[in-house]
Amino acid sequence: DQQVKQNSPSLSVQEGRISILNCDYTNSMFDYFLWYKKYPAEGPTFLISISSIKDKNEDGRFTVFLNKSAKHLSLHIVPSQPGDSAVYFCAASYTGTASKLTFGTGTRLQVTL
Amino acid sequence: GAGVSQSPSNKVTEKGKDVELRCDPISGHTALYWYRQSLGQGLEFLIYFQGNSAPDKSGLPSDRFSAERTGGSVSTLTIQRTQQEDSAVYLCASSPGPREGRETQYFGPGTRLLVL
Repeated sequence: DQQVKQNSPSLSVQEGRISILNCDYTNSMFDYFLWYKKYPAEGPTFLISISSIKDKNEDGRFTVFLNKSAKHLSLHIVPSQPGDSAVYFCAASYTGTASKLTFGTGTRLQVTL
Repeated sequence: GAGVSQSPSNKVTEKGKDVELRCDPISGHTALYWYRQSLGQGLEFLIYFQGNSAPDKSGLPSDRFSAERTGGSVSTLTIQRTQQEDSAVYLCASSPGPREGRETQYFGPGTRLLVL
């Protein structure tokens, strides 16, 4: 049972445009959400997180939006840059699980020139 | 400072052999996690350590898998009698710990295991 879902396996965006990566979850107990970026042959790198008490968190070019009623979150990258090309994983955890993360299957973002 | 390191980076083994994968967490991090990523899948939780104790082993797929942590630092994941379905990238992560549900985990580069 996939509790965190990323339904788009890939996304292609032109440099300078907005990239929107989506993530849905089914477990209503999740209260902390993270996005990680992964380059080939490297481990995932933390990007940005959001607590369930917020609906938006921003860090530079990266913004995460959380819609608890829809059990949906999204990552916006503005403007997109070629160096953003990577696989993006959405992850979730809930209090009481010692930060054990449940990951989605990832979305491969390609930023083209 | 140094990040999480893992060794070996790649491991090819024959079905039925035992393998050991090593993780060196960030110095001072008390929490350590093992995950694995099979081809085309997301990261799957295996086990969590707080210090040398493993309060959550719920993700270990079978009794062929075991892990230990010594001195609150290095951890070893052992897979006995490897099977082809064990082929995956095994990732280790650490975090300062313990602050349940609110910590960022820092990942190592992973060990790519191929069982022939």
